[in-house]
Amino acid sequence: GNSVTQMEGPVTLSEEAFLTINCTYTATGYPSLFWYVQYPGEGLQLLLKATKADDKGSNKGFEATYRKETTSFHLEKGSVQVSDSAVYFCALRQKTSYDKVIFGPGTSLSVIP
Amino acid sequence: DARVTQTPRHKVTEMGQEVTMRCQPILGHNTVFWYRQTMMQGLELLAYFRNRAPLDDSGMPKDRFSAEMPDATLATLKIQPSEPRDSAVYFCASGIRTGGAGTGELFFGEGSRLTVL
Repeated sequence: GNSVTQMEGPVTLSEEAFLTINCTYTATGYPSLFWYVQYPGEGLQLLLKATKADDKGSNKGFEATYRKETTSFHLEKGSVQVSDSAVYFCALRQKTSYDKVIFGPGTSLSVIP
Repeated sequence: DARVTQTPRHKVTEMGQEVTMRCQPILGHNTVFWYRQTMMQGLELLAYFRNRAPLDDSGMPKDRFSAEMPDATLATLKIQPSEPRDSAVYFCASGIRTGGAGTGELFFGEGSRLTVL
């Protein structure tokens, strides 16, 4: 079945450090891929997305590239800020008639000044 | 500013009581998802509706949980009877499913935090 795997957290970084959160997926065909972010006490919100191989999604300094050959969608940011502290979820959605969204377990990020 | 609205935001109840959570999806969205979030299990899909029809409720404990969409503006998740292990944050999300591939972004509500004593 479809699944999403993320690196274990929590991740703690100093402000301005480089961030990578790994995400790999298992799916039939070529799903759409997403990163969602959840701030404390809130629901998830879309951070970025990619719909086909080699697409790069980007938003607020975050980037992720859809890699079909490695079935990966790693999240990166060159310089994190304290305000980036949140839980990050990788997700996929099949482009078929049955297109439920599958989320990874989430990775908690804390950025310290 | 369109958003998904969930009620109640917080609910504390005694074991055995009935709990109903409500969700108003964004107007025009034709897919609705219910997720449960706990520290141990992360985000679990409970139910998925498209055009008000249930497509998948395999994630729900059938003996106590039920999900419905009486109309396009309301989705409900009911637990009867509730148990302490049901304590979690329940999220509703809506989106648009088009006839083509579609990018499938979901818009989440702020969640209903349930505590069953």
